[in-house]
Amino acid sequence: DQQVKQNSPSLSVQEGRISILNCDYTNSMFDYFLWYKKYPAEGPTFLISISSIKDKNEDGRFTVFLNKSAKHLSLHIVPSQPGDSAVYFCAASRTDSWGKLQFGAGTQVVVTP
Amino acid sequence: NAGVMQNPRHLVRRRGQEARLRCSPMKGHSHVYWYRQLPEEGLKFMVYLQKENIIDESGMPKERFSAEFPKEGPSILRIQQVVRGDSAAYFCASSPRGAHYEQYFGPGTRLTVT
Repeated sequence: DQQVKQNSPSLSVQEGRISILNCDYTNSMFDYFLWYKKYPAEGPTFLISISSIKDKNEDGRFTVFLNKSAKHLSLHIVPSQPGDSAVYFCAASRTDSWGKLQFGAGTQVVVTP
Repeated sequence: NAGVMQNPRHLVRRRGQEARLRCSPMKGHSHVYWYRQLPEEGLKFMVYLQKENIIDESGMPKERFSAEFPKEGPSILRIQQVVRGDSAAYFCASSPRGAHYEQYFGPGTRLTVT
């Protein structure tokens, strides 16, 4: 069963604007969440993470928001740049699961000039 | 410091053959994870290994699939008697001791079964 869902398979955004990617999860035991970025023919690279004890984490242009009651998280990229064009995966884990990550299906982001 | 290395990058096998996928973790990393990505899907956890030990294989199919991480050498994911449904990208990740979420991914092996 799919416990982590990214319902938008694609997103197109203009350069300089904000990109907002969404992710929903069903398992209330998840307590750690991550975002990965993936270019074609490469492995995923870590972007940013958040623990369930927080509701926001920021790193440069990237901010992740967590709404535990709604079981929802989002990634904001501001401002979007052409190099941000990639597939973004949301992942979730439980601290008692040895780092076993459950991934969403990904969102393809295209940043246009 | 070299990243996680996987080889081969592309592997073509006929139905019924064996596939061996190799993963060399980053230097100093003692934890290895294998994930599989089917077309149009996210990555799915398969197995978590430490040196000479399988810790969690809850995502591995019960038959035909096996994994090892010997004391010396790379981690190996072995698929016996491959079928068309095994065609996928297989990613390996490694992490240092005590930092399970700090997973660094390799470039993947794309397996095609003809």
